[in-house]
Amino acid sequence: NAGVTQTPKFRVLKTGQSMTLLCAQDMNHEYMYWYRQDPGMGLRLIHYSVGEGTTAKGEVPDGYNVSRLKKQNFLLGLESAAPSQTSVYFCASSLLGPSSYEQYFGPGTRLTVT
Amino acid sequence: DQQVKQNSPSLSVQEGRISILNCDYTNSMFDYFLWYKKYPAEGPTFLISISSIKDKNEDGRFTVFLNKSAKHLSLHIVPSQPGDSAVYFCAARANYGQNFVFGPGTRLSVLP
Repeated sequence: NAGVTQTPKFRVLKTGQSMTLLCAQDMNHEYMYWYRQDPGMGLRLIHYSVGEGTTAKGEVPDGYNVSRLKKQNFLLGLESAAPSQTSVYFCASSLLGPSSYEQYFGPGTRLTVT
Repeated sequence: DQQVKQNSPSLSVQEGRISILNCDYTNSMFDYFLWYKKYPAEGPTFLISISSIKDKNEDGRFTVFLNKSAKHLSLHIVPSQPGDSAVYFCAARANYGQNFVFGPGTRLSVLP
C-alpha cells in the first residue's frame, strides 16, 4: 500500500516548456487534489476532482490543466511554464469530500522554471 | 490577503517543555479547523482537528484550543519531543463542502 505517490520528485523547466505531473493513489479514494506551496504561504488549491472524469477549479487554477481519466490517477499539466510556477506541488486524496480532514498527501514535486 | 495566519515562522523549544503554536483567522464563517504536520521531503499528515462547537480537543500529547471570539486557535504539545520537529500548518474551512484554507506554517524545532 503505497498511499499517494507523485512523479517526478524534481524537475527543472525552461520558460515556455510544458510538462505533466502525475499523481497516483491506491486507496480507492474518490477525491483528489493538487496544491502548490510557496515560501511564506500556505498550501493553495489549484484544481481538484470529485471522481473519475470530473475536475474543478480551486483557488489558483490559472496556467494549469488537469485530467482524471482513471480513478487512481490525477494529472496536472503546465502548457507553457512560467517562472511564477516555480513551487513545490503536492497531490492529495480523500475518501470523503473536499472538506474532509482525511486528506492524504504525496511527498511533493519540486519544480523550478528558469 | 491571507485568511489563515501563522505569525511565527519558527519556534524552538527544549525537549520535555511545552510547545505552543498559534494560528489566527479572519473569516468568521470558518467552522472547522485542523492541524497538519510536515517533515522534510514528505507530504503533510493530519494531526488533530476541532469543530467550532468545541473550544478544546485533546489527543495524547496534542491539544488544540479554539477561541472563536478572538478568531484564534493554538496547538499545545506536551511534553515536546525531538521527533516533533517539523513544520505545522493550521487550516480552516467555511461550511461543510468548502475547501480548506491553509496557513503558511510554523517550523518547530525541539532541542534535545
